[in-house]
Amino acid sequence: AQSVTQLDSQVPVFEEAPVELRCNYSSSVSVYLFWYVQYPNQGLQLLLKYLSGSTLVKGINGFEAEFNKSQTSFHLRKPSVHISDTAEYFCAVSDRAGRRALTFGSGTRLQVQP
Amino acid sequence: DSGVTQTPKHLITATGQRVTLRCSPRSGDLSVYWYQQSLDQGLQFLIQYYNGEERAKGNILERFSAQQFPDLHSELNLSSLELGDSALYFCASSGRTGPMDEQYFGPGTRLTVT
Repeated sequence: AQSVTQLDSQVPVFEEAPVELRCNYSSSVSVYLFWYVQYPNQGLQLLLKYLSGSTLVKGINGFEAEFNKSQTSFHLRKPSVHISDTAEYFCAVSDRAGRRALTFGSGTRLQVQP
Repeated sequence: DSGVTQTPKHLITATGQRVTLRCSPRSGDLSVYWYQQSLDQGLQFLIQYYNGEERAKGNILERFSAQQFPDLHSELNLSSLELGDSALYFCASSGRTGPMDEQYFGPGTRLTVT
């Protein structure tokens, strides 16, 4: 079984400031890691994913994330946020061997202020 | 636009009733996943179908059932509805069943049980 913990339920930040959204996971097997974004009244959109290889993954809209196996973390970062980045962000895992479905964290609400 | 469509967008019904939510996957995608998003439970995987067959089950109640038809669209049936079933129900599709395959999410159906 897997679980995902997003340590911050809300992150307020000023426009053009950097941001980090934290994600830790627990799993008895190797996993794939994902970050999804949900804009108000919309479905989820994939930001980026880690499958293998380089631990630094770049995604859409200037976001990147770093996989840290020893700390079982997959934190999401952006060097300079925009008002349009205001949304809910979900970290998710799926196991490599069997179950294909995603296990999601509880989400982090990013609020970008002018 | 992810290419995944869900109908209806909103559904309001009374306790004890039965409803059917419909999902059309992206063209060519064989796999369909159903997720429930509620305030208290977060985003939870319910069930997955691949080319008409059930592939995986998550936290799906016995009152809920799903199927995938030969044209690959899927329906989620919710019966004996309770207030706690009020949630946003998402459908996602992917091309294969591999855990690394990106899942594309529909806009969701918001179910309100009164």
